[in-house]
Amino acid sequence: DQQVKQNSPSLSVQEGRISILNCDYTNSMFDYFLWYKKYPAEGPTFLISISSIKDKNEDGRFTVFLNKSAKHLSLHIVPSQPGDSAVYFCAASGGNQFYFGTGTSLTVIP
Amino acid sequence: EPEVTQTPSHQVTQMGQEVILRCVPISNHLYFYWYRQILGQKVEFLVSFYNNEISEKSEIFDDQFSVERPDGSNFTLKIRSTKLEDSAMYFCASSAGLAPLTDTQYFGPGTRLTVL
Repeated sequence: DQQVKQNSPSLSVQEGRISILNCDYTNSMFDYFLWYKKYPAEGPTFLISISSIKDKNEDGRFTVFLNKSAKHLSLHIVPSQPGDSAVYFCAASGGNQFYFGTGTSLTVIP
Repeated sequence: EPEVTQTPSHQVTQMGQEVILRCVPISNHLYFYWYRQILGQKVEFLVSFYNNEISEKSEIFDDQFSVERPDGSNFTLKIRSTKLEDSAMYFCASSAGLAPLTDTQYFGPGTRLTVL
C-alpha cells in the first residue's frame, strides 16, 4: 500500500536548467511533507519541507509546491547543478510516522 | 557538525541468527528512529523511540524486532531471528524532539544487512 508515490524513477536535466521532481500521496490526513536527498552510501539528508497550511516554500535554489486538492507536491531546483545529482525522496507525515516515496534519481548533465 | 553514526556499515548473518545494529544519535536529540530500505524499494518507517520507550511503530516492526537505548549514547535495533527478507539497508535517525511532528530528522549512513 503505497501512500506516497514518485512515478518517475529517473530524471536527466542539463546543468543550469530547472529540475522538477514530482510526488503524489493518497492520504488526505497528511499535513507535513519533506524532501530528502540521498547520495550513494549515505543516509538521506533533509532538503526542504512544507506544511499543509502553505502551498509554497522556498529555500535558495529549492522550492517545494503543494497542491492539496490534487494531493501532489513537487520540488523545483533551479538552476540545476551537477552536485544535485542524487536520489530524491519525498516523504509525508500525519503523525510521528513518515511515509517515503520510492525515490527519483536525478542526473544533472554538465 | 554533529552527525548520526551507525555500526557496522555491513553485517552478514545466517538466517535464524540474531543481529544487533548500533546507532549513536546526535547527543542532545531526544527522538530516535529506525528505517529500512530493501534494495530498489522505498524507505520504510520501522519505529520511533522517545523517553526510553517506543513512541510509534509500523506493522513491519513485529515481535522479531526490538529497540533499546542501553546507555546515554547508543540506540540499538535487534532482530531476534533473521529472515532472508530482512536483508536491507537500515537507517537510524534522530531529531531534537522540540516539535516531534516537524523536526528535521538527521539520518545516519546506514547499515547494510545481508541475511544468507
